[in-house]
Amino acid sequence: KAGVTQTPRYLIKTRGQQVTLSCSPISGHRSVSWYQQTPGQGLQFLFEYFSETQRNKGNFPGRFSGRQFSNSRSEMNVSTLELGDSALYLCASSLATRTVSYEQYFGPGTRLTVT
Amino acid sequence: QQPVQSPQAVILREGEDAVINCSSSKALYSVHWYRQKHGEAPVFLMILLKGGEQKGHEKISASFNEKKQQSSLYLTASQLSYSGTYFCGTEIFYSGAGSYQLTFGKGTKLSVIP
Repeated sequence: KAGVTQTPRYLIKTRGQQVTLSCSPISGHRSVSWYQQTPGQGLQFLFEYFSETQRNKGNFPGRFSGRQFSNSRSEMNVSTLELGDSALYLCASSLATRTVSYEQYFGPGTRLTVT
Repeated sequence: QQPVQSPQAVILREGEDAVINCSSSKALYSVHWYRQKHGEAPVFLMILLKGGEQKGHEKISASFNEKKQQSSLYLTASQLSYSGTYFCGTEIFYSGAGSYQLTFGKGTKLSVIP
């Protein structure tokens, strides 16, 4: 079974631009979560989607948004990029449903550099 | 709310044991443990559900103290392959949203040397 894939793997943008990252979950997984990883801060939760609905959202500004499509693929968008947005963005998929928790499978991440 | 992990970093010689702790101020539904090697994605190790059970995976095991909202990861007879950053994830059920949210700690960097 194919793992979680993320595109692109690397991205360089300038301040003020916007960016869209894509994530394809493992087949059959309906839950997709996004995390921002920076040195010393661990994995900061951005949001989680389940069946095209955002279920949970972390403490990030409204510049960070996402969506999920009917095939469970998800996109994350960051508008008006700031230098502090430079990070590794990880996507994870899971079999988790509304009432049962499962482990998460992470993709390789997208390394975003804002200059 | 982000769980607190300790220690932040530890260096072990092959064959030594280590314990990594994770604590939360919230009532937890479950605790997840993941390991991330340099340049790679985090990989799932184990999940512990409330009930205080202890789980094991070869020489890596973990416990969950539901009353204290704490979990500990035990690495025994460490091997070079254990090196990496270990993250605990604490899961809380939000009845309003009708779903769980997993929040990770800042990680514990484990280095095993020959």
